[in-house]
Amino acid sequence: DAKTTQPTSMDCAEGRAANLPCNHSTISGNEYVYWYRQIHSQGPQYIIHGLKNNETNEMASLIITEDRKSSTLILPHATLRDTAVYYCIVVKTSYDKVIFGPGTSLSVIP
Amino acid sequence: DTGVSQDPRHKITKRGQNVTFRCDPISEHNRLYWYRQTLGQGPEFLTYFQNEAQLEKSRLLSDRFSAERPKGSFSTLEIQRTEQGDSAMYLCASSFGRVETQYFGPGTRLLVL
Repeated sequence: DAKTTQPTSMDCAEGRAANLPCNHSTISGNEYVYWYRQIHSQGPQYIIHGLKNNETNEMASLIITEDRKSSTLILPHATLRDTAVYYCIVVKTSYDKVIFGPGTSLSVIP
Repeated sequence: DTGVSQDPRHKITKRGQNVTFRCDPISEHNRLYWYRQTLGQGPEFLTYFQNEAQLEKSRLLSDRFSAERPKGSFSTLEIQRTEQGDSAMYLCASSFGRVETQYFGPGTRLLVL
């Protein structure tokens, strides 16, 4: 079973920030939070990951709560090309098989 | 392109036939994963290799499924006596390093008639 829960779907206006929440209340101390996205008919694409500090890269920002029980992926200026299914997963530092849930289907609307 | 590649991209076969898919990971990646994805669902883990060793297999991987990675480079996934329920997207991913960041290929879409 997936260790995370996410809303099934979300809409975001083009140009606005998209904030995608994820609950991982059972996360343990050695588990990272990872985000992937999957654009229709393509393989999943790695976005960002973090342990307890907030992280930012060229694609997105990841905000992790202090208790690590939830996180938010932020796409600062959503474009139509950001329409995809976004998966939040937790992974241990060494190998652990990745369990994907159904993710959040984000629709960016013109 | 130095990403993960998969071949073929699409495969249509009749029930009962055998099919084989190939995955070429990113060259320096020592870990290789296979997933299956059906419509509306996230990818489901099938199996995992570290170099040439197959270290874990999911219960989803029935006896009709076999995967190999003979020289620790490319991998093949074979499905024998295909069934209509095998119709899905088969995804391959590779990774390297202490923290698991997997890079996925485009997938092979299988349709069993």
